[in-house]
Amino acid sequence: QKEVEQNSGPLSVPEGAIASLNCTYSDRVSQSFFWYRQYSGKSPELIMSIYSNGDKEDGRFTAQLNKASQYVSLLIRDSQPSDSATYLCAVNGLREGAQKLVFGQGTRLTINP
Amino acid sequence: DADVTQTPRNRITKTGKRIMLECSQTKGHDRMYWYRQDPGLGLRLIYYSFDVKDINKGEISDGYSVSRQAQAKFSLSLESAIPNQTALYFCATSKQGAFYNEQFFGPGTRLTVL
Repeated sequence: QKEVEQNSGPLSVPEGAIASLNCTYSDRVSQSFFWYRQYSGKSPELIMSIYSNGDKEDGRFTAQLNKASQYVSLLIRDSQPSDSATYLCAVNGLREGAQKLVFGQGTRLTINP
Repeated sequence: DADVTQTPRNRITKTGKRIMLECSQTKGHDRMYWYRQDPGLGLRLIYYSFDVKDINKGEISDGYSVSRQAQAKFSLSLESAIPNQTALYFCATSKQGAFYNEQFFGPGTRLTVL
């Protein structure tokens, strides 16, 4: 089992709809969770961080965390064509005595005008 | 703006050549990381450094070495490049002692080994 798993997609969503991206992780002691957006050929950009169970909202983005189910998601409301990108889930935990991020392979999202 | 920069942005080299990729940051962060990204394999950690005197191997360090010349500079070297080291390389930084370990990435270096 991979440490961080995402559906690779592609996920296709019409403009104006809600895009839902999901991520599961295997390490129960993971402490913090991140969503990065990566446009083709560009570097990952941090868009959301979440540390506690529940929802965290920032503009059109909502991150949801359920530690019991080892599940984190990202909702994008009122999707825009500019949201078309690959979204990387990253999980932070203590590994070999050090804080390390483990990344999922990413979900490719396409917003259709 | 506080930033992370990488040089060169693109590099084409031949098998057996020594290559150095450089990373500089003005964020004032103590922790620095090198990742490579390959299609279908995601981001994988090569080396990381929590301060100038601390260097640690990541999951795929074979064939690579690093140097932390100063708090703000972290270089990655390929002593003898091989074609399967063709990839996109990213430097990242995070704040010392930050529980949450938010990492911020440089623009990347696209390396092609022929």
